[in-house]
Amino acid sequence: NAGVTQTPKFQVLKTGQSMTLQCAQDMNHEYMSWYRQDPGMGLRLIHYSVGAGITDQGEVPNGYNVSRSTTEDFPLRLLSAAPSQTSVYFCASGDREVGYTFGSGTRLTVV
Amino acid sequence: SQKIEQNSEALNIQEGKTATLTCNYTNYSPAYLQWYRQDPGRGPVFLLLIRENEKEKRKERLKVTFDTTLKQSLFHITASQPADSATYLCALEGGGYQKVTFGIGTKLQVIP
Repeated sequence: NAGVTQTPKFQVLKTGQSMTLQCAQDMNHEYMSWYRQDPGMGLRLIHYSVGAGITDQGEVPNGYNVSRSTTEDFPLRLLSAAPSQTSVYFCASGDREVGYTFGSGTRLTVV
Repeated sequence: SQKIEQNSEALNIQEGKTATLTCNYTNYSPAYLQWYRQDPGRGPVFLLLIRENEKEKRKERLKVTFDTTLKQSLFHITASQPADSATYLCALEGGGYQKVTFGIGTKLQVIP
């Protein structure tokens, strides 16, 4: 099925570890983004990209790194995990004219 | 600073009634506004988009209005059903091209 695929679905990290959250879409969307969702905080934009080779910071970029080498993929890297990064992470792709499609999320716990 | 406000308190309504959810914003000049539905444990799902030059948009039992003077959008679900129970989010572009910010969402509970 066409859509946005996120892996892994669940992850537990120790403080200081690094990891990459994967996001892939097969809809040929130029735009992709990463959000984190915390109770009482709603969705907060981490990084976004309007095309291959172009990325920009969102509201809460610190501690996260992204790159966009292909249209399909937009990985999110946690450089040195901290307990404050415990959250649910959503990747989205789409267009401002037709709305955005979200993945099913990655539930990350940092201990 | 830019702010999107949705009633963070849950909205409980009786089945068959019309649910009305509010999205207010400050310091945005959005070209469009979007509404999403989110069920527990799932990602948001796009429902409707309304542009700045549109006053109203309809899709089946859903209706969205957009008042750029009041800086407000209203989201209506007519003939509500228990299956409509979910959290509804509004989203705006601001601070950059396709830099999209979401409201905190309003949880709707439709009581049979």
